[in-house]
Amino acid sequence: NAGVTQTPKFQVLKTGQSMTLQCAQDMNHEYMSWYRQDPGMGLRLIHYSVGAGITDQGEVPNGYNVSRSTTEDFPLRLLSAAPSQTSVYFCASSFPGLATDTQYFGPGTRLTVL
Amino acid sequence: GQQVMQIPQYQHVQEGEDFTTYCNSSTTLSNIQWYKQRPGGHPVFLIQLVKSGEVKKQKRLTFQFGEAKKNSSLHITATQTTDVGTYFCAGRDSGGSNYKLTFGKGTLLTVNP
Repeated sequence: NAGVTQTPKFQVLKTGQSMTLQCAQDMNHEYMSWYRQDPGMGLRLIHYSVGAGITDQGEVPNGYNVSRSTTEDFPLRLLSAAPSQTSVYFCASSFPGLATDTQYFGPGTRLTVL
Repeated sequence: GQQVMQIPQYQHVQEGEDFTTYCNSSTTLSNIQWYKQRPGGHPVFLIQLVKSGEVKKQKRLTFQFGEAKKNSSLHITATQTTDVGTYFCAGRDSGGSNYKLTFGKGTLLTVNP
């Protein structure tokens, strides 16, 4: 199993550009989520999905869109990048249920917006 | 909304010293999880606690969940250079969405050999 994969690993954008961060998992996990990590801020939830076709907002959803057309993929879209979106983005997946609550994180995408 | 506070923010120790990080939630939690993130890496799951007053050990690491299920701690005995990294707690609100996981801001541990 590859686990959770994310592409690209690094990205530099100009203000106003759009892009999609890719996330895929091969563990058949129902739950997937996107976090951003900024220095001193920990991990903050952007959007999450509890299954194909179902998404919801997390703590910091503004400026980001998601969709979940398949169990495996959960892309994160930046429609008009802003310098405040410079961050490290992590995708995570897990099974539902209290006993299987482990979050498996991808390696991250380091995004810089100029 | 739910807040998870973690202290200290930073901790520097000499190799062989003990280390403890504390996690406090503004609401009662259904479970608490601990993750470790090495510099430049991604968070990796360490353990989950579910029961009130639960204590679990992994070699030199001891994890506790408070009786009220609102606080937790991670204690490392006799730190080693391999323990370097940021330790995060993450809690799920027992009264809220059963999916949203709230992370603390983490404790960065550095170890002087």
